Amino acid sequence: QLQLQESGPGLVKPSETLSLTCTVSGGSISSSTYYWGWIRQPPGTGLEWIGNIYFSGSTYYNPSLKSRVTISVDTSKNQFSLKLSSVTAADTAVYYCARRPGGSHHFDYWGQGTLVTVSS
Amino acid sequence: QSALTQPASVSGSPGQSITISCTGTSSDVGTYNLVSWYQQHPGKAPKLMVYEVSKRPSGVSNRFSGSKSGSTASLTISGLQAEDEADYYCYSYAGSSTWVFGGGTKLAVL
Repeated sequence: QLQLQESGPGLVKPSETLSLTCTVSGGSISSSTYYWGWIRQPPGTGLEWIGNIYFSGSTYYNPSLKSRVTISVDTSKNQFSLKLSSVTAADTAVYYCARRPGGSHHFDYWGQGTLVTVSS
Repeated sequence: QSALTQPASVSGSPGQSITISCTGTSSDVGTYNLVSWYQQHPGKAPKLMVYEVSKRPSGVSNRFSGSKSGSTASLTISGLQAEDEADYYCYSYAGSSTWVFGGGTKLAVL
């Protein structure tokens, strides 16, 4: 059974860089069949797509976040990561990682999510 | 790229049917049959309920169905059950390798 698990600091200071990792178990991140994505949800509000990555390193970002976002993949560790720079309180959210089947446009497996709070 | 428009809330009684709309534009929902729907219970991760407008993943009840007309996609839940009470989000391809979610709809089963 595929499982995704987000990890990283739960508290980040304003203007610093938020860094999260998603560890994939029960399947290979190097499979050519899948893309991997990040989605976030500010408290009490809706979902926002952040970006996707293919195992080859090809990335696709939300235009509204593109200048601050970097998504990378480490196939040796079966992980992919999110970095969001120059964070503000508006970046406080639950961050989810998820899997997107290749050739499709939906997420079929999600991690449980991790809350990141931006505060001094 | 703006969020797709969903009603903030809908409600229904057990056994009834409800429909949640998701309105986009000719740049997303209107052009691509690539709308998916997610159910989210409080404190939980979203769960895929419908993809490519009307396809159901294995294990999802056939009480959930999707459709699209023009730039508006819809999720219909028939035979409402108490466990269906949750937030529902639509999600669509928006071209140029970008995707967009709807604002979400809170379903209350009265």
